Amino acid sequence: AQSVTQPDIHITVSEGASLELRCNYSYGATPYLFWYVQSPGQGLQLLLKYFSGDTLVQGIKGFEAEFKRSQSSFNLRKPSVHWSDAAEYFCAVGAGGKTSYDKVIFGPGTSLSVIP
Amino acid sequence: DAGITQSPRHKVTETGTPVTLRCHQTENHRYMYWYRQDPGHGLRLIHYSYGVKDTDKGEVSDGYSVSRSKTEDFLLTLESATSSQTSVYFCAISGLGTGDNEQFFGPGTRLTVL
Repeated sequence: AQSVTQPDIHITVSEGASLELRCNYSYGATPYLFWYVQSPGQGLQLLLKYFSGDTLVQGIKGFEAEFKRSQSSFNLRKPSVHWSDAAEYFCAVGAGGKTSYDKVIFGPGTSLSVIP
Repeated sequence: DAGITQSPRHKVTETGTPVTLRCHQTENHRYMYWYRQDPGHGLRLIHYSYGVKDTDKGEVSDGYSVSRSKTEDFLLTLESATSSQTSVYFCAISGLGTGDNEQFFGPGTRLTVL
């Protein structure tokens, strides 16, 4: 069965510092991987997704993520954090397939605080 | 932003009462989902729909039922609410419904069961 772990429950960084949020997944085949962001009181918004091809994926708001099959990881990075990046970040994994619904499994989330 | 609304946005109810949450979309997307969000658990799928009158269970479906009589509406019902169902509920939609497609989320409904 698919599963997702996010080892860091909460991270605090200073504005302008670099950021890396960790995500590890468990899935037998090539996974479909996502990062979503949730601002306080809001729904989730997709930051980026990986299906195949280049293992370094660019997303919105200056975020990127790198798929490493050997480590079963899909870590999210940003070179310089802005105060507006303070939010909850969710990693998610979905199975492949075009002919049937495939459930997307979400990790528990990492809460990011940014110090001005 | 995707046209997804949820109603009510907040609700407080008592144990044993029935509760219905509504998700309405204006995107004409085929697939609709109900999740609950609890601290430490991320989002967990309750039920989903892959078309009008076509629904199936997710990973935490016990105590919940759903209905979809129109493309644009997906209702989640708690037949007899319990305190363990206190949570934030999110509706989501997607066009393809496969694991490689983006889901668009509504603003959420905060439900408190006393």
